[in-house]
Amino acid sequence: DAGVIQSPRHEVTEMGQEVTLRCKPISGHDYLFWYRQTMMRGLELLIYFNNNVPIDDSGMPEDRFSAKMPNASFSTLKIQPSEPRDSAVYFCASSWNREGVQYFGPGTRLTVL
Amino acid sequence: KNEVEQSPQNLTAQEGEFITINCSYSVGISALHWLQQHPGGGIVSLFMLSSGKKKHGRLIATINIQEKHSSLHITASHPRDSAVYICAALLGGADGLTFGKGTHLIIQP
Repeated sequence: DAGVIQSPRHEVTEMGQEVTLRCKPISGHDYLFWYRQTMMRGLELLIYFNNNVPIDDSGMPEDRFSAKMPNASFSTLKIQPSEPRDSAVYFCASSWNREGVQYFGPGTRLTVL
Repeated sequence: KNEVEQSPQNLTAQEGEFITINCSYSVGISALHWLQQHPGGGIVSLFMLSSGKKKHGRLIATINIQEKHSSLHITASHPRDSAVYICAALLGGADGLTFGKGTHLIIQP
């Protein structure tokens, strides 16, 4: 397996634009997690899915953020409209179960100007 | 106050030294993870613990459930071990991982 795949790897956009981040988990993993990493706050869980169903989105900062998982092999994290404070590295990870080892994607570095 | 605390925040050591990074948490957990993040930014899971001790090569992770404390040890450290090491706990009642701030380790040749 190629591991968790994320795209794009880098995204630079202007404030107010819509941003869509994509993730392909490892085949067979039932759990998918979206994290955000900033210098100030470190790593934070945004949302996670179990069998394509969102379980906990309490980490999603505000209504501008939304995430979907239309099938077992694809998830998106959308920010609309984007703001400079959304600049961060966004990681996707997947695992077989909630407590188990998580496999991280390479991350998407988002810069909102 | 963060529910997962790591120490030290920064650590510089000489090649060959024995390294210990500590992690403490404030409530019961169902699992604790140690992650490694290299300068390029990629994150790798090193260990997942719920009790006892695990060893992989020169890396050893221990956890004391009663004391709410875990340690990551590196024996015979090498410059390629230079990275940020992050402790993350699945706290009781929580759905997702809570992360420590990380320990920035530099091993000098």
